[in-house]
Amino acid sequence: GAVVSQHPSRVICKSGTSVKIECRSLDFQATTMFWYRQFPKQSLMLMATSNEGSKATYEQGVEKDKFLINHASLTLSTLTVTSAHPEDSSFYICSARDPGNRGYTFGSGTRLTVV
Amino acid sequence: AQKVTQAQTEISVVEKEDVTLDCVYETRDTTYYLFWYKQPPSGELVFLIRRNSFDEQNEISGRYSWNFQKSTSSFNFTITASQVVDSAVYFCALSEPRKAGSARQLTFGSGTQLTVLP
Repeated sequence: GAVVSQHPSRVICKSGTSVKIECRSLDFQATTMFWYRQFPKQSLMLMATSNEGSKATYEQGVEKDKFLINHASLTLSTLTVTSAHPEDSSFYICSARDPGNRGYTFGSGTRLTVV
Repeated sequence: AQKVTQAQTEISVVEKEDVTLDCVYETRDTTYYLFWYKQPPSGELVFLIRRNSFDEQNEISGRYSWNFQKSTSSFNFTITASQVVDSAVYFCALSEPRKAGSARQLTFGSGTQLTVLP
């Protein structure tokens, strides 16, 4: 089936620095990608929808200047957490519409720890 | 607005027992999809099933079965003869258009932590 490759799987960064997370669709084109955040023992909450060649759509309460999304090609979407703080520590996971029967394909997730 | 409720936060069973995970959803749309995902401790989401709102047939896949009841807006998931490897968080999710022209997005339930004891 369709695969979305997400990197890095784990990252530890210092408070105040920026971190970029990449999601690539392998063997298929993803005009839309979804970015989710999951705090420990909680559900996945949609942060934003990235659209190839246009601005991302952010969910209410998500700071667009803090979570920069770029979807410059049909196979790559990136999420940059700018000026990260400890409260940004979370599990971030992307997904794309699956051209097959599953509906959606998810990346393997990125566990971000800000110290 | 769409909503997915998984009332069971945690369930513990002993190996070989059957267990049912409940999922109730709300939507104003007549066309939608329902999903179940498994999330092991490693974090990745493992796809289990996708069901179209027009297809109310129950489905069985090995030890897994799903009961879709449109009349009660429920899409319950049963694991028969549970195994330790079934221990994970299970999420039910609903997909429907948020607004005209936008891509369908997924709304997740809060998840059920299933622990299967040996």
